[in-house]
Amino acid sequence: EVDLVESGGGLVQPGGSLRLSCVASGFTFSYYEMNWVRQAPGKGLEWLSYISGISSVIDYADSVRGRFTISRDNAKNSLYLQMNSLRAEDTAVYFCARDIDYGSGALGFWGQGTLVTVSS
Amino acid sequence: IVMTQTPLSSPVTLGQPASISCRSSQSLVHSDGNTYLSWLQQRPGQPPRLLIYKVSTRFSGVPDRFSGSGAGTDFTLRISRVEAEDVGVYYCMQSTQSRTFGQGTKVEIK
Repeated sequence: EVDLVESGGGLVQPGGSLRLSCVASGFTFSYYEMNWVRQAPGKGLEWLSYISGISSVIDYADSVRGRFTISRDNAKNSLYLQMNSLRAEDTAVYFCARDIDYGSGALGFWGQGTLVTVSS
Repeated sequence: IVMTQTPLSSPVTLGQPASISCRSSQSLVHSDGNTYLSWLQQRPGQPPRLLIYKVSTRFSGVPDRFSGSGAGTDFTLRISRVEAEDVGVYYCMQSTQSRTFGQGTKVEIK
């Protein structure tokens, strides 16, 4: 069974940094493309970033490019999101999500999310 | 690519059909010939759940009352007979050029 567990959320001051992690199990992690998606309180979903199985292709939404960095450690079955220069509008639940298979473009497996609150 | 969903709210009667439209600001036909348009459902307090991908392919375990259709820039999600468990917010998402979600459509029971 595919399982994705996010961690690393919490309260951070504006301008601060935070590193989110997502630990995967139940599948061969290196085979699959992974994503970060967030949802601000009471708002819709916002796709943030994508990374291919061997980290050869990486993409970001304009809203976070240059501030956020996605990475993965296939030996640890882990996905990361380094978030710098955080702003109040970055307050959201952050989900990691897995593509269902290579080239599908479909986010079929999701974690429960971790809450990031940016406030002084 | 900007994804625009209509309506933003859809009150429906149990057992009746419902449909949601999604329009993209440019064609979602990829150079490989595929159209990467998917639909997701988010029930209250839950992470999103994939329903449909590549316009019309139902994901594993998704009831056949959900169907997707469309081409180019115009797409539709249909629920043939709405059940109480279908209440939630529905999102379209394109993966042809980067990835973008629509703003969401809230489905509620009348």
